[in-house]
Amino acid sequence: QSVLTQPPSASGTPGQRVTISCSGGTSNIGSNAVHWYQQLPGTAPKLLIYNNDQRPSGVPDRFSGSKSGTSASLAISGLQSEDAADYYCAAWDDSLNGRGVFGGGTKLSVL
Amino acid sequence: QVQLVESGGGLVTPGGSLRLSCAASGFTFSDHYMSWIRQAPGKGLEWVSYISSSSSYTKYADSVRGRFTISRDNAKNSLFLQMNSLRAEDTAVYYCARGPYTYGDAFDIWGQGTMVTVSS
Repeated sequence: QSVLTQPPSASGTPGQRVTISCSGGTSNIGSNAVHWYQQLPGTAPKLLIYNNDQRPSGVPDRFSGSKSGTSASLAISGLQSEDAADYYCAAWDDSLNGRGVFGGGTKLSVL
Repeated sequence: QVQLVESGGGLVTPGGSLRLSCAASGFTFSDHYMSWIRQAPGKGLEWVSYISSSSSYTKYADSVRGRFTISRDNAKNSLFLQMNSLRAEDTAVYYCARGPYTYGDAFDIWGQGTMVTVSS
């Protein structure tokens, strides 16, 4: 059971906008920044969004993040076939003297 | 370019040991905290451990504390994970990652991973 809760799956058609939610608690999302990682099939994870809503260089602006209270969301607009991947939210948890925690991942299908 | 390359994975029997390595290049290794993150087959990501830039501070997940030891050699731009008393549930791809820069930050660079299989 993951500390952060994500829906196991999401889907959309090309061009649509999809959102993926991430729910946590006061010791993790409520106290620290949320980061999002994209894992394309058969590859290592890649940083997609950091500090709630910041995009690393090279990440298209179709990807955006937000946070409110103990929840966060990843939005993908103008969905493309190459966006089909697993998406993970992550944060640091202040309980137990600090530890990294991840969501269980959301598998995004582009129909 | 900035790169992390893991090695040392393989098949080990329960109770055995394995040492993973991660070679860093393209950035000033000694300036950065480094972490290990694992992913069991078909499962999600699990943070394992991190080490501060000067090795003065380490932290571990409850699931590996007392069995795994993280270390680094800044002169050789290398990160290590010594894994002892291995269990079947330690079977996973182990990723080396750069970060967090400070507590709360993201893992901004990941290696390609090395597979560890614990089985008799």
